[in-house]
Amino acid sequence: DAEITQSPRHKITETGRQVTLACHQTWNHNNMFWYRQDLGHGLRLIHYSYGVQDTNKGEVSDGYSVSRSNTEDLPLTLESAASSQTSVYFCASSEGSRDEQFFGPGTRLTVL
Amino acid sequence: QKEVEQDPGPLSVPEGAIVSLNCTYSNSAFQYFMWYRQYSRKGPELLMYTYSSGNKEDGRFTAQVDKSSKYISLFIRDSQPSDSATYLCAMSAKAGNTPLVFGKGTRLSVIA
Repeated sequence: DAEITQSPRHKITETGRQVTLACHQTWNHNNMFWYRQDLGHGLRLIHYSYGVQDTNKGEVSDGYSVSRSNTEDLPLTLESAASSQTSVYFCASSEGSRDEQFFGPGTRLTVL
Repeated sequence: QKEVEQDPGPLSVPEGAIVSLNCTYSNSAFQYFMWYRQYSRKGPELLMYTYSSGNKEDGRFTAQVDKSSKYISLFIRDSQPSDSATYLCAMSAKAGNTPLVFGKGTRLSVIA
């Protein structure tokens, strides 16, 4: 069955370290998205991509970067982790012409 | 004013009750409306998808859109403890290639 996976599921890191969260989908979806979810804020869009080599900034992109070198993967990099980036991160994907997004299981990141 | 407003709850109801969850929005261009269900420590999963105004029914769930009032609802009939989750509304102006705008979610508990 097609699916979307995220790794790691849990990570603890220190302030200032570079961290990369992986997202992999097997639906061959063109669109991929990264969100963070925090209590009181709901889901906030970090970055998104509508295809290979395409990336766009979302509502809360500062301190984060993405690159899209193939259809299946959209890794999210925290260049220099900060305590404010402690959160649960969700990756999602959708077909090019449709809105319905399918979410991964999430990565719980703690920055100490 | 936020683009999408959703009462965070929590909402607690007895098993068998009819539940009404709502979102209001300010952008009259929104045409595509979704409801996602998110269980604790899981990713959101798509529950209902509707286009423009009207009702859509799927089992015990009914999604209703009133574009004139900029108001959408999700009704759950004969609620079950397994319906206990956070429900997020989401919407967009154009199908595909447009990020979704999410509400913050309403936490629902159905008590047996």
